[in-house]
Amino acid sequence: ELKVEQNPLFLSMQEGKNYTIYCNYSTTSDRLYWYRQDPGKSLESLFVLLSNGAVKQEGRLMASLDTKARLSTLHITAAVHDLSATYFCAVDLGSSNTGKLIFGQGTTLQVKP
Amino acid sequence: DVKVTQSSRYLVKRTGEKVFLECVQDMDHENMFWYRQDPGLGLRLIYFSYDVKMKEKGDIPEGYSVSREKKERFSLILESASTNQTSMYLCASSLYYQPQHFGDGTRLSIL
Repeated sequence: ELKVEQNPLFLSMQEGKNYTIYCNYSTTSDRLYWYRQDPGKSLESLFVLLSNGAVKQEGRLMASLDTKARLSTLHITAAVHDLSATYFCAVDLGSSNTGKLIFGQGTTLQVKP
Repeated sequence: DVKVTQSSRYLVKRTGEKVFLECVQDMDHENMFWYRQDPGLGLRLIYFSYDVKMKEKGDIPEGYSVSREKKERFSLILESASTNQTSMYLCASSLYYQPQHFGDGTRLSIL
């Protein structure tokens, strides 16, 4: 059974600090997605990581994928309040083209001034 | 821009009722999904569909069924609603391996 685990589940940080969210998964997959969810809103796609060593960056967020370690990271640089949200990673099972994903529990990020 | 529209933002129903949640997407996506979201549990897949009239069970299908008669519409049915089905329900669609696009969600309360 595929399991996707995020760490930490809750993160409170000061503006200007750096931090990393970790996403571990338990079986082989070459496709990993990161999503953001604002309170009361739906999920918005942030990054798609399609191969080992893939790195994507958007503003203060950078995501990477290590398929051998079955690990993805979402790194936050110099956090600002607008980044406060819940972040989900999701792994594609890859056994068909259905796009079926397994989601992690989510990491709630709170950035304090 | 892809639009995934869920028929209701908030819904209140009674135990034992048959409940229909509707989802429509406007981008001709093959794949459609229904999730429920509960605090601390992330998103759990209920059912998904990869083509018209095709469906597969997700991780928590018990107590639910689905219908996909047209490509753009995917319906989730609670056959006999129970209080443990109170949750946020999210619909999504995707084209093969492209990121899933989500609707705004339906917050369903079963009394």
